[in-house]
Amino acid sequence: GESVGLHLPTLSVQEGDNSIINCAYSNSASDYFIWYKQESGKGPQFIIDIRSNMDKRQGQRVTVLLNKTVKHLSLQIAATQPGDSAVYFCAEIMAGSARQLTFGSGTQLTVLP
Amino acid sequence: EPEVTQTPSHQVTQMGQEVILRCVPISNHLYFYWYRQILGQKVEFLVSFYNNEISEKSEIFDDQFSVERPDGSNFTLKIRSTKLEDSAMYFCASSLGQGAHGGELFFGEGSRLTVL
Repeated sequence: GESVGLHLPTLSVQEGDNSIINCAYSNSASDYFIWYKQESGKGPQFIIDIRSNMDKRQGQRVTVLLNKTVKHLSLQIAATQPGDSAVYFCAEIMAGSARQLTFGSGTQLTVLP
Repeated sequence: EPEVTQTPSHQVTQMGQEVILRCVPISNHLYFYWYRQILGQKVEFLVSFYNNEISEKSEIFDDQFSVERPDGSNFTLKIRSTKLEDSAMYFCASSLGQGAHGGELFFGEGSRLTVL
């Protein structure tokens, strides 16, 4: 069965608004989570990561929140820009499988002018 | 900025033919990976490689597949006797360390394989 999945396949936001992309995981053994951005025709690009001993991590314009109780993580993008339009994947590494990432299905973010 | 490069960007082959996809990882990285993405589907792990041997592989990576680091810079994925369902985008990635403590994976732009 799929361990990592996305709640919504598409998300449209107005330029300048904040975006929230959600992801659910089912494997409590996952101890490291990453958000990737994939633009059309390109490979996944690392955005931000978080370890299971953390609840929140902030980067430049992005914040990842991890709720281990309900096995949920989210990616918040502040002041969304047209260049943020892409597919966003959450991925996990499970303890004991140190090198493998399991990717969720992805959410297509579209930024409207 | 250092990057992972892949060739070819697109390859079309006949079913049953052998294909070699090439990757040049970032020069100081030690861990190398192949992933694939069938059109419209999620990115799937194939194999990881460290110290000149496979360290982990998925159930997708069967005897049809092999990887090699023939010299100090290239990392290749060979697919023997390609099948229609092998059509996908194949991504190479590399990292300095491993897993949750090894830092991020850097992905190449991908090689699109079309099997006819």
